[in-house]
Amino acid sequence: DQQVKQNSPSLSVQEGRISILNCDYTNSMFDYFLWYKKYPAEGPTFLISISSIKDKNEDGRFTVFLNKSAKHLSLHIVPSQPGDSAVYFCAASEIGAGSYQLTFGKGTKLSVIP
Amino acid sequence: DAMVIQNPRYQVTQFGKPVTLSCSQTLNHNVMYWYQQKSSQAPKLLFHYYDKDFNNEADTPDNFQSRRPNTSFCFLDIRSPGLGDAAMYLCATSHDRGVGGYTFGSGTRLTVV
Repeated sequence: DQQVKQNSPSLSVQEGRISILNCDYTNSMFDYFLWYKKYPAEGPTFLISISSIKDKNEDGRFTVFLNKSAKHLSLHIVPSQPGDSAVYFCAASEIGAGSYQLTFGKGTKLSVIP
Repeated sequence: DAMVIQNPRYQVTQFGKPVTLSCSQTLNHNVMYWYQQKSSQAPKLLFHYYDKDFNNEADTPDNFQSRRPNTSFCFLDIRSPGLGDAAMYLCATSHDRGVGGYTFGSGTRLTVV
């Protein structure tokens, strides 16, 4: 049973437009959420995170939104650049419960078309 | 640059032949993790070390073992690899519970023949 779901395996966006990557979760105990970016033949790279006490966190072109009531988070990339083409993983953790485990989604492959 | 290094990048092993994957870090993080990622699936935590304390996930098969001889190094031992163990193995580190993110290595792609 997947606790973190990324329902879109792939997404194509024109350069300069907004990319929106979505993630849903089922475990209400998750209190910390992260996005990772992964290029082929490399390990995942931390991108941005958000605590459950917030509903938005912004870092440059990247913004993560959290809707706890809907158990949904999204990553917005504005403007999208060709170098953003990668697989994006959503991950969640129960930090308040003392967990060290990150539960990952299956990833969404983003292609930014020049 | 501080980083997490995994060796080798690609490993081919025979069915049933023990294999060891290695991970080293220069970040001085106290927690080290091993994740398994099969094709088109989410990375799955196998176990982690908090300093010298080993923490196994409940569903990690006994076939998988780990050693952490010091802060910088962590090894994944697969005692009798089966075809189903072919996967990407990712090592990661964090300071405590990883608020601010984990740092991952580039992974080792394991093939079992």
